[in-house]
Amino acid sequence: NAGVTQTPKFQVLKTGQSMTLQCAQDMNHEYMSWYRQDPGMGLRLIHYSVGAGITDQGEVPNGYNVSRSTTEDFPLRLLSAAPSQTSVYFCASSYSSTAGNTIYFGEGSWLTVV
Amino acid sequence: DAKTTQPPSMDCAEGRAANLPCNHSTISGNEYVYWYRQIHSQGPQYIIHGLKNNETNEMASLIITEDRKSSTLILPHATLRDTAVYYCIVRVGVNTDKLIFGTGTRLQVFP
Repeated sequence: NAGVTQTPKFQVLKTGQSMTLQCAQDMNHEYMSWYRQDPGMGLRLIHYSVGAGITDQGEVPNGYNVSRSTTEDFPLRLLSAAPSQTSVYFCASSYSSTAGNTIYFGEGSWLTVV
Repeated sequence: DAKTTQPPSMDCAEGRAANLPCNHSTISGNEYVYWYRQIHSQGPQYIIHGLKNNETNEMASLIITEDRKSSTLILPHATLRDTAVYYCIVRVGVNTDKLIFGTGTRLQVFP
């Protein structure tokens, strides 16, 4: 049981490049989400998904796209990277949000845009 | 969306109880209070959560006031490895993973 797995762990991009951060979970969780964390701040929600084929925007969605074609995977796409997207990105998942289930986080992906 | 207020930092002697307060005065009736911690820049680690009643697990206890406007996380016997940033979070809604993070409390446990 690997939990929530994020790849890559570190990435450097040039402004304007595109890339995809991968997130996979092996716990059959319905809910998955992406957060970003800037220095000295708490996490902020980018996008989330309540199940395969369903996604919605969070607090800071601009510049990011997501899709959820399978229950296990929830990739985050940066279409044209900007220096403001330099951050640590965390993927999270939970079985469901009813009855206050535990949300599990991945170990993070460090992205630098130069 | 309910938001939380926490002191920016606290100190605690090793072996003593660490009591971390959190204010969430705008919390709604169906919103849970969650506590996570983050050591260095690792992924947030789940500690405990509750709705109305006090909760206890192997890591900590959560005390929620009767009006639900504030709560306290208690680490009964703090160790050096408990040094971390602790986040009190309100989980928004019942069909999302939306967590509203604040800036947390940096707990420093000293020998």
